[in-house]
Amino acid sequence: TQLLEQSPQFLSIQEGENLTVYCNSSSVFSSLQWYRQEPGEGPVLLVTVVTGGEVKKLKRLTFQFGDARKDSSLHITAAQPGDTGLYLCAGGEGDMRFGAGTRLTVKP
Amino acid sequence: GAGVSQSPRYKVAKRGQDVALRCDPISGHVSLFWYQQALGQGPEFLTYFQNEAQLDKSGLPSDRFFAERPEGSVSTLKIQRTQQEDSAVYLCASSPQATTSRSYEQYFGPGTRLTVT
Repeated sequence: TQLLEQSPQFLSIQEGENLTVYCNSSSVFSSLQWYRQEPGEGPVLLVTVVTGGEVKKLKRLTFQFGDARKDSSLHITAAQPGDTGLYLCAGGEGDMRFGAGTRLTVKP
Repeated sequence: GAGVSQSPRYKVAKRGQDVALRCDPISGHVSLFWYQQALGQGPEFLTYFQNEAQLDKSGLPSDRFFAERPEGSVSTLKIQRTQQEDSAVYLCASSPQATTSRSYEQYFGPGTRLTVT
């Protein structure tokens, strides 16, 4: 059972476009994490958000934690083919729960 | 530096066989986690350790699954009498922080892909 709902499930865009993916839950989390996973590899941590309303930027990626700490979004500006991958959000303490992920494809 | 390593990377088992999957965490990392990832899904929590203590095993799907970390470093996930529904990628992660930290960071290994035929 996954408590975190991610949308969209799949996203295919052209290089240079902007996109936003979402992570929603009915539960309050003390922190949420975003990971990117490529085929045959384990997830790689991108960012952790801990404060309601927090916005963090990582180059062209902008992460936001909802005020109520139940949801988060990831916005990518001017997407590049190297951004292709499975984007996962996760939350919890100890028993970390992951969403099913958004599979992003950026076409050149 | 060395990251989390897992072995074997691929394992094919016949239904009913026992398997053992190994995880070598980053040296000095306090916490260690096991996840199961089915095709097209996110990782599902199985169990975690703080040093040698198994603090939570609520995600283990049945009593056929057993994990240990006897010396607080290397961990082994054992699956007895494997069944087809056990086919998945098994991911191991380690963290330098205890899980009581609000923002502990997990570093994942590449996973072991288990196929039960």
